[in-house]
Amino acid sequence: DTAVSQTPKYLVTQMGNDKSIKCEQNLGHDTMYWYKQDSKKFLKIMFSYNNKELIINETVPNRFSPKSPDKAHLNLHINSLELGDSAVYFCASSQEGQGAGSGNTIYFGEGSWLTVV
Amino acid sequence: GENVEQHPSTLSVQEGDSAVIKCTYSDSASNYFPWYKQELGKRPQLIIDIRSNVGEKKDQRIAVTLNKTAKHFSLHITETQPEDSAVYFCAAPINRDDKIIFGKGTRLHILP
Repeated sequence: DTAVSQTPKYLVTQMGNDKSIKCEQNLGHDTMYWYKQDSKKFLKIMFSYNNKELIINETVPNRFSPKSPDKAHLNLHINSLELGDSAVYFCASSQEGQGAGSGNTIYFGEGSWLTVV
Repeated sequence: GENVEQHPSTLSVQEGDSAVIKCTYSDSASNYFPWYKQELGKRPQLIIDIRSNVGEKKDQRIAVTLNKTAKHFSLHITETQPEDSAVYFCAAPINRDDKIIFGKGTRLHILP
């Protein structure tokens, strides 16, 4: 009965490879996010989608391409992986977006630990 | 640009003592302030939040205070226990951008 689930949990890959992380939420939420957490534990938003529509793209390199086939899924594809991409990537969802201080709780997935070697 | 400053970055307190973590925000239109707790190797989870129409909110050993004039809010944990050891994140919305920004986190260590 996991609310936000993402796969894989661990991913070790070589520089230059292409990889994908999948995310699904069963909460019926309209908004989904990808966050990156680096080694210093900083949580930075990368993308947000509302009902399959891209809302936020936080100046993330073009090598990162999110795809939302429906509002319950938000996948992240990364091309030409670099050492600096090593991080924990969290998928998350909320009932609606964060506009006007809507106060929508963000529910995070368990994270995907990406290590680029 | 808009940001959320969080202090301290690391905090060690004796078990049973109180811990206070402070955040300041820059968007004067912000009106919702959540706190998330992230245990080692786990996901961040909401522990308490406050809206701008109140100055304080309490939930058992956890409380949050808000000073809108000074644009800062604080998390207070009383009678700390070992399970309180974690990284705590404050956050505030940037309303015109429809997003929420997290502080850089505070690593709280509860000492035996």
